[in-house]
This record gives sequence, structure tokens and C-alpha cells, in this order.
Amino acid sequence: EVQLVESGGGLVQPGGSLKLSCAASGFRFSGSAMHWVRQASGKGLEWVGRIRSKTNNYATTHGESLKGRFTISRDDSKNTAYLQMDSLETEDTAVYYCATPAQDVVATIEYWGRGILVTVSS
Amino acid sequence: DIQMTQSPSSLSASVGDRVTITCRASQSISNYLNWYEQKPGKVPKLLIYAASTLQSGVPSRFSGSGSGTEFTLTISSLQPEDFAAYYCQQSYRPPFTFGPGTKVDIK
Repeated sequence: EVQLVESGGGLVQPGGSLKLSCAASGFRFSGSAMHWVRQASGKGLEWVGRIRSKTNNYATTHGESLKGRFTISRDDSKNTAYLQMDSLETEDTAVYYCATPAQDVVATIEYWGRGILVTVSS
Repeated sequence: DIQMTQSPSSLSASVGDRVTITCRASQSISNYLNWYEQKPGKVPKLLIYAASTLQSGVPSRFSGSGSGTEFTLTISSLQPEDFAAYYCQQSYRPPFTFGPGTKVDIK
């Protein structure tokens, strides 16, 4: 069974930083791309970014609206993906989902974590 | 970036109704189009990928069609458990943008 468990969320002040983790199990993590998607309360889904597998040189792509403030990384030895969020703004308040297609050929997201809340507020 | 739009943004329907949601891409995405269902407080669920392929376990009342820039999700006979938000997403080129969503509620 595929499991994705996010951690590291919480309350942070504007301008601050936070690093989310996504612990994965139940599939071949090292061969899979990992995505992050967020959703503000009552709003739609927003794609945050993706990191590809070693086969695809760990290539990362991020949503244009993030203005380079967010960085995705991974540690295949720990089956964990990360989302480093810097210069946080109140508009970044959302539930952040870790998600994966459980492969790295097509980008269709099949599996989702339960999500973790990040609140940016003073 | 590829922009995705959906129409309508919301609709009210009755159990048994046929429901159609349209998704449009700002440029051709071939058939790299996915549909997700999200119920309140729940995680999104993949319904259809590659525009028309039903994900395993998804009821056959759901169907998808289209290619290029225009796509549709159809629910042939709406069931009580189908009242939810539906999102399209292009997986043609990053950033893999989602549509704004269509909320389906009870008439």
C-alpha cells in the first residue's frame, strides 16, 4: 500500500522559513517523481512543484507564482521528499499535499498524502 | 505556462442527472489531461487520466473525452456520493497546472 506522510507544518511568521517532509512507503521511491500541491482554505488546487528521479537527474520544476522561494529536494536513502519554503507570505497559508505518480514517466499524480497545514501569520 | 479553465464553476443537479464539465487548455496538450474528484475535507482522487482512461476502481458512470485544447468529464447518472469538486490538470508540460475546479452540489 502506498503511503505518503507529511510533517513539519505549523505556524510561521511572514518572512520566515519552514521545511516540510514527506515520508514515503509502499512503492519504489527512488524511481518515482514526487510532487507538492497546495490548497488554501476554500480554494482550488495549486501545483507547487516536482522533483524527478535520479534517472532524470533529480530535475526540479516549480510553479511560476512561487517566485523562486520554494525548493524541492529528496533523499532516496530515507525515502523522503522535502519542500523548503523561504520568505513565506500570508498567501502561502494552505494545506500542502505530497503526491506521486509512483513512477517517473508520466506526470499523472495517482497517490496523495493526507496533507499538512501551514499557516503564515504574525 | 499552460492555463486551464473549467466551466461551469459550479452546478446544481439532482440524483440521476447527466452532468458534463468542460475543461479548456490555453494551448494544445494532446491527451495529457487528468480529472480529479475532491470531497470536502478529503484528499483529491484520480478519476481519469490521458483524457479518457478510467482509473482502476472508478465507477463506469464517469467518462472523459477530448484532445488538444478541449476536454469533458461526464457523469452519466449522478449518484449521492458524486457531490464534490472536480478539477482538471494538464500533465503535458510543467508547471502542471490545475483548472479552478467545478463544484457539483445537490439541487
